[in-house]
Order: sequence, then structure tokens, then C-alpha cells
Amino acid sequence: GAVVSQHPSWVICKSGTSVKIECRSLDFQATTMFWYRQFPKQSLMLMATSNEGSKATYEQGVEKDKFLINHASLTLSTLTVTSAHPEDSSFYICSARERGQGANYNTEAFFGQGTRLTVV
Amino acid sequence: AQKVTQAQTEISVVEKEDVTLDCVYETRDTTYYLFWYKQPPSGELVFLIRRNSFDEQNEISGRYSWNFQKSTSSFNFTITASQVVDSAVYFCALSEAGYSTLTFGKGTMLLVSP
Repeated sequence: GAVVSQHPSWVICKSGTSVKIECRSLDFQATTMFWYRQFPKQSLMLMATSNEGSKATYEQGVEKDKFLINHASLTLSTLTVTSAHPEDSSFYICSARERGQGANYNTEAFFGQGTRLTVV
Repeated sequence: AQKVTQAQTEISVVEKEDVTLDCVYETRDTTYYLFWYKQPPSGELVFLIRRNSFDEQNEISGRYSWNFQKSTSSFNFTITASQVVDSAVYFCALSEAGYSTLTFGKGTMLLVSP
């Protein structure tokens, strides 16, 4: 399957600082990327969907000013957690969908390895 | 709205036992996709299977098998002769036609002891 690389794998930052997480599709062009958050022992919750070259669509309850998503190219999307607080500590995971061919809209989405963020 | 229910929060078995992880889903769409993922302690999601709503054939892959029944909206996952390496959290997920966003169940933690 296609490879999605997420960086960093883990990060510890001080409260009030910003952290950027990168999600790259290594061997395909990703027209759409998705960002999920997973709190300990809980399920994955979709935060936002980003399409290359346009603004991200955020799920209800996700602060767009706090979680800045940029999808500037077909192979890279970034999530920046601004002014991070301890409650933002979580596992963040991205997935990327390859540009579909023809009417095949529902191509499979591939997941990155995830980023464990700890805010102290 | 779509929903995925994994009623089993945690299952503990002894190695070589068979174990079935339940998944029940809700969707209004007639075309949809069902997935199972494995999440080991390291955190990454390991894709196991994707099944579309028009294919009710059961599938077997080595020690893994899946039972898809539209009549009961279930997509259960069975591991035969479980091994310690099978210990992980397993997620069932659903996506509707035309989208790649996944709605995940809450996951089932499987603990396989030697």
C-alpha cells in the first residue's frame, strides 16, 4: 500500500508554545488529508479534513484557530497546535487519500505513524 | 448519521484460544465500506481489511477471518489460535460512499497471555 510518513513521532513541549506536525505522502499524490486525535484509551476522532490548495474543514467542536492546518502541496499537510496546553496532550494521526481515478471517489486512506504530543 | 459500536471494551484470552471481536454499525447509505485496524502499543494503525457493502462474502486471511452480515449490520472479526503478538487494540470503522473519513468504534483491547 501507499506510504504516509508523519513527523515527529513524539514531541514534548512547554505550555504556551506551538508545535507543528507534518504528514507526507511519500509515493502518491494526496488530494485530501485527514487529521485525527486520540486521547488515551479512547477512539480516534476526526478533527479536520484538508484538501490541497483550500482551507481545511473542521469538525464541530474543533477550534480552527488553535489547530492550524495547511495543505500547501499534494504531498504535505501540516497541523500546528498553537499555544499548546496540557489538555492538548494527545496522539495525533493523519491519513491521506490518493487522487481518485475516474469515478472512484472512495479510494482508501492510508495512515501515518502518529505523533504523541505531551504538553508540560 | 453513521455509528460504529464495539461493545467489548477488553478481552483477555490465553494463547491458542480463538477470539471474536464484535462490530455493529449504523448507516443510512446503501453503499459503504467497513474496515478493521489493529493498533499495537506503538500507536500506528495497521490496516487489516476493507469490505464494501455489496460484498457479503466472508473472508479468511491466515488466522484472521471476518463475518459480514448486512441483516444484522455486523462485521465481526475472529482470530484463530491467538498469539501474544495479537495483543493490541482493534478498531472497526465505517466510511460512506464518496468519502474517506472514517467513523471509528471505541476499540476492543485484546490481551493474549502465554
